[in-house]
Amino acid sequence: SQTIHQWPATLVQPVGSPLSLECTVEGTSNPNLYWYRQAAGRGLQLLFYSVGIGQISSEVPQNLSASRPQDRQFILSSKKLLLSDSGFYLCAWSLPSGGGEQYFGPGTRLTVT
Amino acid sequence: SQELEQSPQSLIVQEGKNLTINCTSSKTLYGLYWYKQKYGEGLIFLMMLQKGGEEKSHEKITAKLDEKKQQSSLHITASQPSHAGIYLCGADLKIQGAQKLVFGQGTRLTINP
Repeated sequence: SQTIHQWPATLVQPVGSPLSLECTVEGTSNPNLYWYRQAAGRGLQLLFYSVGIGQISSEVPQNLSASRPQDRQFILSSKKLLLSDSGFYLCAWSLPSGGGEQYFGPGTRLTVT
Repeated sequence: SQELEQSPQSLIVQEGKNLTINCTSSKTLYGLYWYKQKYGEGLIFLMMLQKGGEEKSHEKITAKLDEKKQQSSLHITASQPSHAGIYLCGADLKIQGAQKLVFGQGTRLTINP
């Protein structure tokens, strides 16, 4: 069966510091991968998605970037965090066919101070 | 762009009572997904609806997609404390190569014993 992991679970970082959040999927090959942010009162926002290694699509201009160095690994990064980067970050995967449901990881709570 | 509006935004019901959550789209829904989220956790997939008039059930939760495919409802019968959480609907944007979802703002459900 498929499993999706995210770490760390929680993170407190000062403004201006770098960020690296990791997501890995087990039990499936060539999944579509997604990064979402859930901020209070703003719902769930798609940040990046990837259909393959090295293929990243960005949904909104922002202070963040994403990379997919391996088939089942998705990384969310920032060189310098802003206060507005605080939120709950969720990684998700779906089958490579492009249809069907997405499955979400447990999330990372990021607080920028 | 497609937008999803959920109503109500929050709901408090007595244990054992029935309830309905609605999700309305500004455009035709090609795929409608219902998820449940407990605070601070990832999203759990509940059901997917694709055809106009489709209805699916899982335990005491029933979801419907109307004939015009612009509104979906989630109905819980004889609510239990385990039903408490945030319910989100997501719509498939039908982008080739990746399944991109746009989500509603969520409905926070509280069950009073």
